[in-house]
Amino acid sequence: QVLLQESGPGLVTPSETLSLTCTVSGGSMSSSYWSWIRQPPGKGLEWIGFIYYTSSNNYNPSLKSRATISLDTSKRQCSLRLSSVTAADTAVYFCARLDSSGHYNFDSWGQGTLVTVSS
Amino acid sequence: QTVVTQEPSFSVSPGGTVTLTCGLSSGSVSTSYYPSWYQQTPGQSPRTLIYSTNARSSGVPDRFSGSILGNKAALTITGAQADDESTYYCVLYMGNGIWVFGGGTKLTVL
Repeated sequence: QVLLQESGPGLVTPSETLSLTCTVSGGSMSSSYWSWIRQPPGKGLEWIGFIYYTSSNNYNPSLKSRATISLDTSKRQCSLRLSSVTAADTAVYFCARLDSSGHYNFDSWGQGTLVTVSS
Repeated sequence: QTVVTQEPSFSVSPGGTVTLTCGLSSGSVSTSYYPSWYQQTPGQSPRTLIYSTNARSSGVPDRFSGSILGNKAALTITGAQADDESTYYCVLYMGNGIWVFGGGTKLTVL
């Protein structure tokens, strides 16, 4: 069973870069796709992007190239960087594993971490 | 930009049956979008219920089922229970490595 745990600063200053890490326990890092999803307080879920161990990746076009996802298989970590943040980026950020058997669903989720953007 | 549509809210009586839908602002949902459904209660991370249109995730009761109804994906709960009261999200795979979530349906059981 794979377990995912997000971590990072809970408070980020506007215009700065948000940086989060997802630590993975169990499962294989190199045969899975990893994704980040966020949820503003009281609102719905928004897909941010994904990465595969080959560095193949893609992002939500609405984030306008502000997002970068990276993978460190030796540390068993997946990271998210979101630049030039504003209050609109305040959200709970989840990491999730994408099913790798062709079903295109998110089959494991972390507990999420709240990031507040404020000065 | 494509919008995935869901009913904002729905209510069902205990023991009743409810069908939630997941559509597209333009076009029809088919199995090629690999629709999946997630259940979320406040303060919790989403739980996978259904993937690839109608495959039930491990441990999910068989009162939850997925299908394509007309031009939408559908999640049907048969014999609703009090602890089914949650928000349900659908996700569609748009191809080219892009996923889009619906806005979620808040289900009340009363």
